[in-house]
Amino acid sequence: AQRVTQPEKLLSVFKGAPVELKCNYSYSGSPELFWYVQYSRQRLQLLLRHISRESIKGFTADLNKGETSFHLKKPFAQEEDSAMYYCALMTGDDKIIFGKGTRLHILP
Amino acid sequence: GAGVSQSPSNKVTEKGKDVELRCDPISGHTALYWYRQSLGQGLEFLIYFQGNSAPDKSGLPSDRFSAERTGGSVSTLTIQRTQQEDSAVYLCASSFPGGDTYNEQFFGPGTRLTVL
Repeated sequence: AQRVTQPEKLLSVFKGAPVELKCNYSYSGSPELFWYVQYSRQRLQLLLRHISRESIKGFTADLNKGETSFHLKKPFAQEEDSAMYYCALMTGDDKIIFGKGTRLHILP
Repeated sequence: GAGVSQSPSNKVTEKGKDVELRCDPISGHTALYWYRQSLGQGLEFLIYFQGNSAPDKSGLPSDRFSAERTGGSVSTLTIQRTQQEDSAVYLCASSFPGGDTYNEQFFGPGTRLTVL
């Protein structure tokens, strides 16, 4: 079955502390994975994708095929990182499967 | 340039009525997706279009839901005989399978549907 799992509904982290948002996927083919973010009162938007292997706003995510994971990390959390984060998988037939999302709350 | 737009932004309707939600994708985007966003349920895939055809309708919750896309552009999601459980934010996204934004989903602002 094709599935994206984000085990944490809510993650609270102090400002300056490291952040890790977990994402695991189930897919038999070669996955194309994304992280999307929705800030308060803004549209859902792409944060990063695994094929780009880039760092956006200090966030990185590494695809681990052995563990079928694509965890999102940032070494030092900032208050403006508070948002809803969704991990997404694109399948070979262009279908997008989103996880249920994790709300990240940065504590001052 | 113009992004994805959706109308109406808010819709309040009575149980049993039909509603139509509209999505205008970014010009030139061949793929168009509909999602439903509910509290605690995250983003639920409903249907997507490649051009005017819908290869995958498996996400539509029931036969009360239907969608069409004409001219490879505007799409309409129709919910017939609405029920209270249909209350949610309906999101539309478009994408283009090439270029710098390869497969990136561009989302609209959503339509908040409330069924009384």
